[in-house]
Amino acid sequence: GAVVSQHPSWVICKSGTSVKIECRSLDFQATTMFWYRQFPKQSLMLMATSNEGSKATYEQGVEKDKFLINHASLTLSTLTVTSAHPEDSSFYICSARVGAGTSGITGTGELFFGEGSRLTVL
Amino acid sequence: RKEVEQDPGPFNVPEGATVAFNCTYSNSASQSFFWYRQDCRKEPKLLMSVYSSGNEDGRFTAQLNRASQYISLLIRDSKLSDSATYLCVVNAPRPSNDYKLSFGAGTTVTVRA
Repeated sequence: GAVVSQHPSWVICKSGTSVKIECRSLDFQATTMFWYRQFPKQSLMLMATSNEGSKATYEQGVEKDKFLINHASLTLSTLTVTSAHPEDSSFYICSARVGAGTSGITGTGELFFGEGSRLTVL
Repeated sequence: RKEVEQDPGPFNVPEGATVAFNCTYSNSASQSFFWYRQDCRKEPKLLMSVYSSGNEDGRFTAQLNRASQYISLLIRDSKLSDSATYLCVVNAPRPSNDYKLSFGAGTTVTVRA
């Protein structure tokens, strides 16, 4: 099946630093990728939809200046957590859709997830 | 009200048992439904889509009840390897004319020997 790769898997950083997480579609092109955050024992919460070649669409309550998203190519989207603080510690996970509605709009294709990135801010 | 709600469990069952659980969704316009499986500290993986008429994939059976706005997952002849968290995922249109996938918090199933 399609593979989505995320890097790094684990990151520990000091408060105030910025952290970049990469999400790559390895064997398909994804015009749309999704970024989620998951706190322990909670559901995945959609943070933003990353659109290749245009601005990301952020969900209500997600600060776009805090979570910078860049989708510069059809196979790579990056999420940068700027000036990270301990409350930003979480499991960040990306996904991309394959199949009908590859743009992600119609939502009929299977969603493949990256392995996730566990961020710990000290 | 949450968009998607699930009984968190855990459901502790012996090997070979049948376990079933539901997921309710709030948006009546929801159009597609899925069950994903998530192992501890791993990414979710698609288990099965849920079709209107219900569908089966081996030991797994999914049902959709649009009138009551819930989907269900039944696991027969449970295996130890079925131990995981099962996420209910619902795709619904939004006023902005796009779609959004909403995730339940998951139902944890533990199968014991």
